[in-house]
Formats: sequence, structure tokens, C-alpha cells
Amino acid sequence: QSALTQPPSASGSPGQSVTISCTGTSSDVGAHYSVSWYQQHPGKAPKLMLFDVSKRPSGVPDRFSGSKSGNTASLTVSGLQAEDEADYYCTSYAGDSNYVFGTGTKVTVL
Amino acid sequence: EVQLVESGGGLVQPGGSLKLSCAASGFTFSTYYMTWVRQAPGKGLEWVAQISPDGRATNYVDSLRGRFTISRDNADNSLSLQLNTLRAADTALYYCARHVGRAFDQWGQGTLVTVSS
Repeated sequence: QSALTQPPSASGSPGQSVTISCTGTSSDVGAHYSVSWYQQHPGKAPKLMLFDVSKRPSGVPDRFSGSKSGNTASLTVSGLQAEDEADYYCTSYAGDSNYVFGTGTKVTVL
Repeated sequence: EVQLVESGGGLVQPGGSLKLSCAASGFTFSTYYMTWVRQAPGKGLEWVAQISPDGRATNYVDSLRGRFTISRDNADNSLSLQLNTLRAADTALYYCARHVGRAFDQWGQGTLVTVSS
């Protein structure tokens, strides 16, 4: 159960797009359509942004989108806003009732 | 309104034990899978354990199996995590979270466990 690999940081100017990758293996990301993404502001609890790769919970702006190809999932934030500056974590179902989180990516809005 | 409120954290010596609790309200607790996730200071999230709605099925991250025990009391709308033989590496903020399918849609604010002599 090794952590999924995310880039440590990503950045973009307001209005631009940023894409974060989440790379796992054929046992987790590659095997299941069960990747979710969480946003965490400093000192706050994580917030679910996407589930089942690309589905948005009620209240999450459509600026947030997701995709998956092979063992890598991606989160794209379009039209970056100041409030999008946060840490982002992916997680994947890994079979047999196991889950694995990504290493986390700090998104900076320049 | 869905609420998850963790409690029970604190300072404990290495080798000690602690029981964390999570009080749930605002939803039908007995119909949801629940999970514990932890976050060491300045570090990323780590999935710890999951429990089925009826409490009969549990699962743990391999590295913690045998030391931690997840349980629930559906009559009391509460989730628990028993932490035994604690180590400095277990120092973390422990969150309880509700499952929606294979994602975690509601989180508490966490309870801090500090393992130190």
C-alpha cells in the first residue's frame, strides 16, 4: 500500500488552469474507477471535490474536473481563483476494502 | 446538517493506549460505512481503517493492523478507534469520515494524538 505519487507543487495565475497528476499502480488507480480528490486549506478538514474520477458533489464548482488514463488520474482546476489555493490529495480504492492516499500537491495561485 | 465530532485525543507516552471517539449526527449513521484517516503534523493524509454499517466487517492499513481497532455503536451514533502500543510515529490529527461509495464525503475537524515521553 504505497502512497500514490503527486507532484509536490503546482501553480497558476488567476483565470488560468492547473492540472495535478496522481500516479498509482495497476492494483489501485489502474484497477478501479474509484479515484477521489480532496481540497484542504490550512488548519481545516479535507473537503471532497471529485469522486469516481470525475463526479462532482453538490456545491463543487464545475471548474473542477477529473480524468483517468491507465494508472494515472488527474484533477484540473480551470479559471483559477484565489480561494483554490490549498493542498490537494487524491485517493484510490485499492481492492479488498483498502484505500491509499496520494502524497499531496500544494496549489499556489500566483 | 451532517456533523462528525471527534474527541479523545491527547498526550500519551510511548507504549500507551488511547481511545478516540467520533459522534455522528444529522444522518442515518447505521447505514453508512465509516473511516478513520490520520495526518501527521505537516504531512499528508493516511487512510487508517474502515468499518461496515453493521460493524461486522473491518479493514486496516497493513502497517497498523493489530495495534488499532475500529468499532461502532449504532445505537449511540458513535464511531471509535482504539489505539494500542502507541509510538511517536502515531502522532497525528485523527479524522473520522463518512463514506459515499468509495469516497469520503463528510469529515470531522479531527482530534490530535501526541505520543511523547
